[in-house]
Amino acid sequence: NAGVTQTPKFQVLKTGQSMTLQCAQDMNHNSMYWYRQDPGMGLRLIYYSASEGTTDKGEVPNGYNVSRLNKREFSLRLESAAPSQTSVYFCASRSQGNTEAFFGQGTRLTVV
Amino acid sequence: RKEVEQDPGPFNVPEGATVAFNCTYSNSASQSFFWYRQDCRKEPKLLMSVYSSGNEDGRFTAQLNRASQYISLLIRDSKLSDSATYLCVVNQGFKTIFGAGTRLFVKA
Repeated sequence: NAGVTQTPKFQVLKTGQSMTLQCAQDMNHNSMYWYRQDPGMGLRLIYYSASEGTTDKGEVPNGYNVSRLNKREFSLRLESAAPSQTSVYFCASRSQGNTEAFFGQGTRLTVV
Repeated sequence: RKEVEQDPGPFNVPEGATVAFNCTYSNSASQSFFWYRQDCRKEPKLLMSVYSSGNEDGRFTAQLNRASQYISLLIRDSKLSDSATYLCVVNQGFKTIFGAGTRLFVKA
């Protein structure tokens, strides 16, 4: 029972480098989400995808792009990493309706 | 104003205490409500959904007041294992919005 799988689990980048965080879910959920969590703070929504083929900005989208590759996969790209993007990134998914979200284990990203 | 606001905490309580967490949300069109638990350096996990009629799961009771846009979580007979961060969560359409969380420390 994989649920939501994120890769990688840890990453160190230099300022200006790019990378893509991968997320896949096997629960046939329509909606997928990317959040970031900074020390002592809750989860802030970066982007979400209500269904395959659609993406929308959340609270903190600047510096990020996303791709909903298919129903299972939703990736997050940092084109030019900055130290302010050092954070823990969580991917989540949920089905339609009044349902709860399920989370991946997170990616710990450090930008130096 | 943040869309979901929680008590800032942290709460430090002895084992056996009763502790209450409060949460307010700003969008009256919000449809569904949850409490999540997050352990240190782990992903959030669903603790319980919150219904207008109130609901209970063992030592945990959740309440929703739509008129006041207020959600609460009560933990009775606190255990050491209850130490965690408790997150108030609201669904608004396709968006799932989190509060900043309230940290709970239960001491022996």
